[in-house]
Amino acid sequence: DAGVTQSPTHLIKTRGQQVTLRCSPKSGHDTVSWYQQALGQGPQFIFQYYEEEERQRGNFPDRFSGHQFPNYSSELNVNALLLGDSALYLCASSPGNSPLHFGNGTRLTVT
Amino acid sequence: AQSVTQPDIHITVSEGASLELRCNYSYGATPYLFWYVQSPGQGLQLLLKYFSGDTLVQGIKGFEAEFKRSQSSFNLRKPSVHWSDAAEYFCAVGEGGTGFQKLVFGTGTRLLVSP
Repeated sequence: DAGVTQSPTHLIKTRGQQVTLRCSPKSGHDTVSWYQQALGQGPQFIFQYYEEEERQRGNFPDRFSGHQFPNYSSELNVNALLLGDSALYLCASSPGNSPLHFGNGTRLTVT
Repeated sequence: AQSVTQPDIHITVSEGASLELRCNYSYGATPYLFWYVQSPGQGLQLLLKYFSGDTLVQGIKGFEAEFKRSQSSFNLRKPSVHWSDAAEYFCAVGEGGTGFQKLVFGTGTRLLVSP
């Protein structure tokens, strides 16, 4: 049984570009959350998706947007990339309101 | 707003010695509390959680944690550390009605295990 899978594992983008990160939740999980982990910091909550709708959002600008598909997979989109967006982006899933299972993340570098 | 403080950035423990990682939280109501572990290049793995009941909770890999409301603490302990325990440990508190989803993490404590 595969856990939470994220793609790509690493990504390099230029300032001002747009990026899309992808996440497939663990089998049986219908809720997906995204976190940003800057170097040397703890993860920070970006948003949560359930039933294809954004249910909760953290303190992130509108440049960060997401989507959840009918098969529960999810995408995180970041527009107009800034150098400060360089981080490890973690996807987590759960069956409803239950403890999160995290993927290994996508390392985004903005140059 | 909720917050989590992990006062120790790094801790070095000899293999076989006991371990205690400190965590203090700020939250008005009864919190959902978690400890996660992150190995290099990996995601986070849940060690244990507390949201009600017995204040001493047991987790995986021989870890335990004790919720102390009077001290706003949720310290992680292990009686005998193994070299494979070397990793980054994060304490987190859950917000609001969906306490498992929107987590506020501390800055982490890096555990080094010496032979």
